[in-house]
Amino acid sequence: DQQVKQNSPSLSVQEGRISILNCDYTNSMFDYFLWYKKYPAEGPTFLISISSIKDKNEDGRFTVFLNKSAKHLSLHIVPSQPGDSAVYFCAARNSGNTPLVFGKGTRLSVIA
Amino acid sequence: DTAVSQTPKYLVTQMGNDKSIKCEQNLGHDTMYWYKQDSKKFLKIMFSYNNKELIINETVPNRFSPKSPDKAHLNLHINSLELGDSAVYFCASSQDAGNTKQYFGPGTRLTVT
Repeated sequence: DQQVKQNSPSLSVQEGRISILNCDYTNSMFDYFLWYKKYPAEGPTFLISISSIKDKNEDGRFTVFLNKSAKHLSLHIVPSQPGDSAVYFCAARNSGNTPLVFGKGTRLSVIA
Repeated sequence: DTAVSQTPKYLVTQMGNDKSIKCEQNLGHDTMYWYKQDSKKFLKIMFSYNNKELIINETVPNRFSPKSPDKAHLNLHINSLELGDSAVYFCASSQDAGNTKQYFGPGTRLTVT
């Protein structure tokens, strides 16, 4: 029962172009969404988040868009850089002290 | 300067053995977590402790026993290891239980043969 789905296991993008990573969720009670980035042999690191009361949050080259009616969020990275090559995890949670639910991740490769 | 550290990084052991993984955070956080990333790459919460008190236990077999001697440490002890326990185990911490920004350790790759 995957409540958070990342249907693309991998994505390749040329350096300088936009990377778009997608995430779908099924639980309408989720009210907070996050993206984590993971390099090999390291733990995930927090990248950016968005509350369900917003539809966009921007931090430098990273922007997260939330479409609540479609239960969909996306992470845009522009311009993409080779150092962005990593696995990106989408995560979500209900309000209160509930656990984060993670997707399976999308491996992004930025080609120079 | 490591914020969340785990030992060991790799652990290879035989079925039936008992092993422990240690986790320490130097961020002054109140809440710590254990996650399991299995072969299908799902990252799933196992336990969460807030100020040494267990607050989340996600139907993990009771062969897994977390122990928090103080709020900077959350160790994971696993009894009678099984093949299906092979996975990468991540420790994480956050400022408090309501804070979703979690800081992860580098992971411990456990292989049960």
